[in-house]
Amino acid sequence: GAGVSQSPSNKVTEKGKDVELRCDPISGHTALYWYRQSLGQGLEFLIYFQGNSAPDKSGLPSDRFSAERTGGSVSTLTIQRTQQEDSAVYLCASSRGAADSTYEQYFGPGTRLTVT
Amino acid sequence: ILNVEQSPQSLHVQEGDSTNFTCSFPSSNFYALHWYRWETAKSPEALFVMTLNGDEKKKGRISATLNTKEGYSYLYIKGSQPEDSATYLCAPERDSSYKLIFGSGTRLLVRP
Repeated sequence: GAGVSQSPSNKVTEKGKDVELRCDPISGHTALYWYRQSLGQGLEFLIYFQGNSAPDKSGLPSDRFSAERTGGSVSTLTIQRTQQEDSAVYLCASSRGAADSTYEQYFGPGTRLTVT
Repeated sequence: ILNVEQSPQSLHVQEGDSTNFTCSFPSSNFYALHWYRWETAKSPEALFVMTLNGDEKKKGRISATLNTKEGYSYLYIKGSQPEDSATYLCAPERDSSYKLIFGSGTRLLVRP
C-alpha cells in the first residue's frame, strides 16, 4: 500500500516568510510524528498526534512553529516568519501506535526547507 | 534530557566483513528500543523494536541484542554488503511515552 507522503519535497523561502509543510500518513495509522534534521544534527522530535488526543508539542522549538492534524489524517506543519536556522529536512512519520503500546514508525521522504 | 550515545560515529568496512556497533541509553524508565536504518536519499526504515531485557532479534544478516539493566544495545551485521551502507539510528522510548529520542547514528560504509 501507499506509504507516508510529504509535500513539497523541496522548499526554498525567504527569511521572514511563512511556510506550510504537508504530511499524508499511512491510512489507518492513528499516530503521527514530525521530526527535523538540521545540518550535522540528529533527528529531533517536534510534535506527536495520537487519535483525538491533545498533541504533544513539547519538541516545537519556538512559538513560530505550529501543527495541525485534520480529521485524524493529514497534518500540516506551519513555520511563521522563517529564520535561517529553520533550514532543515522535516520528516513526518506515522504508526499504528496507541497509548501504552509501541510500534515501528514509517517515515515519509521528507521536505528539505532552505531559508535564504 | 535523555542522553543517547552511539558508537562509533562512522565505520568503513570491506565487503564480507562482519561488524557491530553500540547504542547506550539511560536504563531508568525504559520502555522500548528502536533501531532504524537511514540510507542516503531515502526515508529512515525500521529494523527492530525491542522491549525485553535479553531480547535478540534478527532480520536476514542483521541482528540486535538488548540489555535494559545496563542500558545498551548492539547491532550486528554479518557479511556486510555495499547495500548495507547507511546510517544506523537507535532510539529509546521511555515510560511508554511514544516519543523517540534518536541518537546521532553510526554511519556505515561498506567498500566493494
